[in-house]
Amino acid sequence: AQKITQTQPGMFVQEKEAVTLDCTYDTSDPSYGLFWYKQPSSGEMIFLIYQGSYDQQNATEGRYSLNFQKARKSANLVISASQLGDSAMYFCAMRERDQGAQKLVFGQGTRLTINP
Amino acid sequence: NAGVTQTPKFQVLKTGQSMTLQCAQDMNHEYMSWYRQDPGMGLRLIHYSVGAGITDQGEVPNGYNVSRSTTEDFPLRLLSAAPSQTSVYFCASKDTGTVNYGYTFGSGTRLTVV
Repeated sequence: AQKITQTQPGMFVQEKEAVTLDCTYDTSDPSYGLFWYKQPSSGEMIFLIYQGSYDQQNATEGRYSLNFQKARKSANLVISASQLGDSAMYFCAMRERDQGAQKLVFGQGTRLTINP
Repeated sequence: NAGVTQTPKFQVLKTGQSMTLQCAQDMNHEYMSWYRQDPGMGLRLIHYSVGAGITDQGEVPNGYNVSRSTTEDFPLRLLSAAPSQTSVYFCASKDTGTVNYGYTFGSGTRLTVV
């Protein structure tokens, strides 16, 4: 079964609009962490934001915020005031403990295109 | 500059050849890992290590070997390359003393097996 599900293969958004990228997860580990990474066309993996399972408040980092709904096992990324440079692949990932070791598991990604 | 260094950046192999992808980090991170990225499939964990002398398998370990003789280095070996191993390979490391941030990725190695 998929541990991280990103249901939007691609999204197209007008510049300056806000965009929400969906991510749902599945784990039995009570202490887990959720990450979002950006991968531009150059290929590097850029860390954006982190949310711990015990964090009471939603994480924010500049224009990025994470809409964490624990009961729904949802960790959507919200980008406010999108810019052309936001066009990239976005990956949701979860750190969980599996058989005693911490592992980072990725979703399949969402390709975001910002139109001028 | 501190970070994760992967070499080479590009490589073409013939089926059956062997090679080693290098990964080095200078942040004294205990945890290191290898991922492969295929189109439409995100990143999948190949092998990981929680410290020198300790390695374990990830989601897709077949066809790959690893060793961890030092904290800094975590090479990935392909003993007999197959076209199915054509992919982009990422090495990542993490400071196990922190729960957030921490995962630092290398710039990737694009491998083509013909």
